[in-house]
Amino acid sequence: QQQVKQSPQSLIVQKGGIPIINCAYENTAFDYFPWYQQFPGKGPALLIAIRPDVSEKKEGRFTISFNKSAKQFSLHIMDSQPGDSATYFCAAKSRSGYALNFGKGTSLLVTP
Amino acid sequence: GAGVSQSPSNKVTEKGKDVELRCDPISGHTALYWYRQSLGQGLEFLIYFQGNSAPDKSGLPSDRFSAERTGGSVSTLTIQRTQQEDSAVYLCASSLGGFLGTDTQYFGPGTRLTVL
Repeated sequence: QQQVKQSPQSLIVQKGGIPIINCAYENTAFDYFPWYQQFPGKGPALLIAIRPDVSEKKEGRFTISFNKSAKQFSLHIMDSQPGDSATYFCAAKSRSGYALNFGKGTSLLVTP
Repeated sequence: GAGVSQSPSNKVTEKGKDVELRCDPISGHTALYWYRQSLGQGLEFLIYFQGNSAPDKSGLPSDRFSAERTGGSVSTLTIQRTQQEDSAVYLCASSLGGFLGTDTQYFGPGTRLTVL
């Protein structure tokens, strides 16, 4: 079963807009939440990651917001650019686990 | 430095044939993972190696799937008697290893498998 639920499936924003991608999980043993960015024909690449001891993490134009009580986390892309057009995956992993549990992905298109 | 490499990049095969997919991890990475990415789906975990041993094979979908890793480096994923539902992109990732909760996994470009 899908351990991490991701929405929306696809998203279109204009350049400069702020796309938001949401993820939810049930397993309270998860303690590492990375986001991966994937361009066509390429493997996923780590974008940014967060641990549950903080509620927000920012790296450049990318911000993760984390709500531990709601078991939800989201990715915000500030001042989005056409070059940000890609598929974004959220994931979760427990300290004792090996595998990343991925959401189904969000296809983002940033129009000029 | 060199990232994770996979070969072939594309593989077209006929139903019932066996295929081998290869992964070369980042040098020095002791952990290696195989995932499968089907159209419209997220990445599905298949198997994990720490060194040459595979403590977690829980994700392999059937006994037609097997994997090995030799010399703590190169890994091969073998699919026997391929079926059309095996068509997907097979991704390999590697990481430094150990039991670090935040051990970053670095992915290769994948092998796109098409079973006719």
